[in-house]
Amino acid sequence: QVTLKESGPVLVKPTETLTLTCTVSGFSLSNARMGVSWIRQPPGKALEWLAHIFSNDEKSYSTSLKSRLTISKDTSKSQVVLTMTNMDPVDTATYYCARISLQYDILYYYYYMDVWGKGTTVTVSS
Amino acid sequence: EIVLTQSPGTLSLSPGERATLSCRASQSVSSSYLAWYQQKPGQAPRLLIYGASSRATGIPDRFSGSGSGTDFTLTISRLEPEDFAVYYCQQYGSSRTWTFGQGTKVEIK
Repeated sequence: QVTLKESGPVLVKPTETLTLTCTVSGFSLSNARMGVSWIRQPPGKALEWLAHIFSNDEKSYSTSLKSRLTISKDTSKSQVVLTMTNMDPVDTATYYCARISLQYDILYYYYYMDVWGKGTTVTVSS
Repeated sequence: EIVLTQSPGTLSLSPGERATLSCRASQSVSSSYLAWYQQKPGQAPRLLIYGASSRATGIPDRFSGSGSGTDFTLTISRLEPEDFAVYYCQQYGSSRTWTFGQGTKVEIK
């Protein structure tokens, strides 16, 4: 069974750095057809993609948040870590990690997020 | 950066009715990189459709996806009580970044 579980602080102060960990099971972070993404959702608002990392260590970041984000992985621990610097109250949100699956056939490659963690809620307040 | 615009914002329908949700991209999107998700209150999103029209594992056949280029549609043929939720489209772009639409809420009329 594939699962992902987010962990991290519930409350951070403005200007602090947030560190979130996604612990995966049921698949390996070294699998060439898989990656892990971070997504967040402010209360009552839409989903916002933050970053992803693939088995070959390829990383990508949201254009608007790129300067504040760092994603990394520890394959031996089955963990993906996201750090976000200079936290602000507008960063209050539920943060999800999700598995990215790559599928391909003769004609096409398909990318999608097929398994999600339950999310962890982070509040930014002094 | 590609922007996905979903319409309508809210769809008020009765169980048994057909739901048609739209997702329009600001520029052409590869169909193989277009997905739809369902999210219920207090839950994580669930993958429904990938590749614009392929149902994910375990998704009932009342859910179908279609479209190409800049216009994509999610159709729920006959709404069941458990289908009332928020639906998001998502695309994976050539810049290797992902974008979500702002969501369509399907509510009970």
